[in-house]
Amino acid sequence: NAGVTQTPKFQVLKTGQSMTLQCAQDMNHNSMYWYRQDPGMGLRLIYYSASEGTTDKGEVPNGYNVSRLNKREFSLRLESAAPSQTSVYFCASSVLQGYEQYFGPGTRLTVT
Amino acid sequence: AQKITQTQPGMFVQEKEAVTLDCTYDTSDPSYGLFWYKQPSSGEMIFLIYQGSYDQQNATEGRYSLNFQKARKSANLVISASQLGDSAMYFCAMREGGGTSYGKLTFGQGTILTVHP
Repeated sequence: NAGVTQTPKFQVLKTGQSMTLQCAQDMNHNSMYWYRQDPGMGLRLIYYSASEGTTDKGEVPNGYNVSRLNKREFSLRLESAAPSQTSVYFCASSVLQGYEQYFGPGTRLTVT
Repeated sequence: AQKITQTQPGMFVQEKEAVTLDCTYDTSDPSYGLFWYKQPSSGEMIFLIYQGSYDQQNATEGRYSLNFQKARKSANLVISASQLGDSAMYFCAMREGGGTSYGKLTFGQGTILTVHP
């Protein structure tokens, strides 16, 4: 039982490049989330998916897209990376909306 | 306006002592939930404790308890008998209401706790 897994763990991109961050959970949770954490700040919600087939914007969605591929997987795509997107990205899941969220280990992304 | 405020950037405590980490929140919604998470230096986020706005009693989980004062809009985390492994960043978070906002968590900026031997 791995919980929430994220790939990759580290990534360096050049400005303008694109990439997809992958997230999967094996807890049979319905809801999944993407956050970013910048130095000295708490986490900010980028997008979330209350259930399979639905996605909604969070606090900072600009520059990102998401796909809820199936119940287990929720990916985050940066179409044209910018230095302002340098951050640590966390994926999380919860059994239902509003319940406690369980987090993956994070992806440290640097955009140069 | 900040929805979650953690006014203590850093706190120090002696091993085996109790410590209180402050959290105040701002919402006009009668239905909300408050969460505390721990982030060790390794970076993962660990769920500690939850308090619902309608819960009559303060939440407790082992050495963690939540001092919930609804009228003052505060939800302070109390860690009893501190251990060296408690040294970490601690985040308070809130989810509000229902509908499409129900799943969204808003986090505070965190408090770094250092436990001294």
